[in-house]
Amino acid sequence: DVKVTQSSRYLVKRTGEKVFLECVQDMDHENMFWYRQDPGLGLRLIYFSYDVKMKEKGDIPEGYSVSREKKERFSLILESASTNQTSMYLCASSPAGSGANVLTFGAGSRLTVL
Amino acid sequence: GQNIDQPTEMTATEGAIVQINCTYQTSGFNGLFWYQQHAGEAPTFLSYNVLDGLEEKGRFSSFLSRSKGYSYLLLKELQMKDSASYLCAVRDYGGGSQGNLIFGKGTKLSVKP
Repeated sequence: DVKVTQSSRYLVKRTGEKVFLECVQDMDHENMFWYRQDPGLGLRLIYFSYDVKMKEKGDIPEGYSVSREKKERFSLILESASTNQTSMYLCASSPAGSGANVLTFGAGSRLTVL
Repeated sequence: GQNIDQPTEMTATEGAIVQINCTYQTSGFNGLFWYQQHAGEAPTFLSYNVLDGLEEKGRFSSFLSRSKGYSYLLLKELQMKDSASYLCAVRDYGGGSQGNLIFGKGTKLSVKP
């Protein structure tokens, strides 16, 4: 069964801490994405990557960075966590090209920043 | 600007039919997706439309009118397990040749006995 795996389901961090959220996919997908999901705001794109070592800003990149050193792994980094980054973070992947290239999501990482 | 609108909440009865509407205004259009998300779980793919018309998949159907910027998801013979949020998403042409998905805020559907 194909999968997107997020390393942590629940995290609690303190303001100012550096936070790493890891995502690994086993489908050999070229594209990977990080979203955050908040009540009343829906899914918002933070960063995405169409290839190894490639990254592009999404709609809300401020306060975040990403790393994609290997095709299967896409990491989201909060350099200095703040309370407004408390959210559900969803990683997703999809194959390259246009058409019905469906996003496959991970189970999510619920981050609480105190 | 980019905007996708769908109702916040809907309620329907088990065994009935429900239609969830989605209207969109985006800078480009390269397909419309519907996802289902149960509480506390990841979104899962339901349907894809890129041409006008109806796509049917079992109890679920999705319709698209590109000229009207409108889609709907039709759920027939509702079951309790259909209680979930339904996300409408449009792929635009941004972010390179492939385009990224822009999501609506989701419609929370409650199915009652």
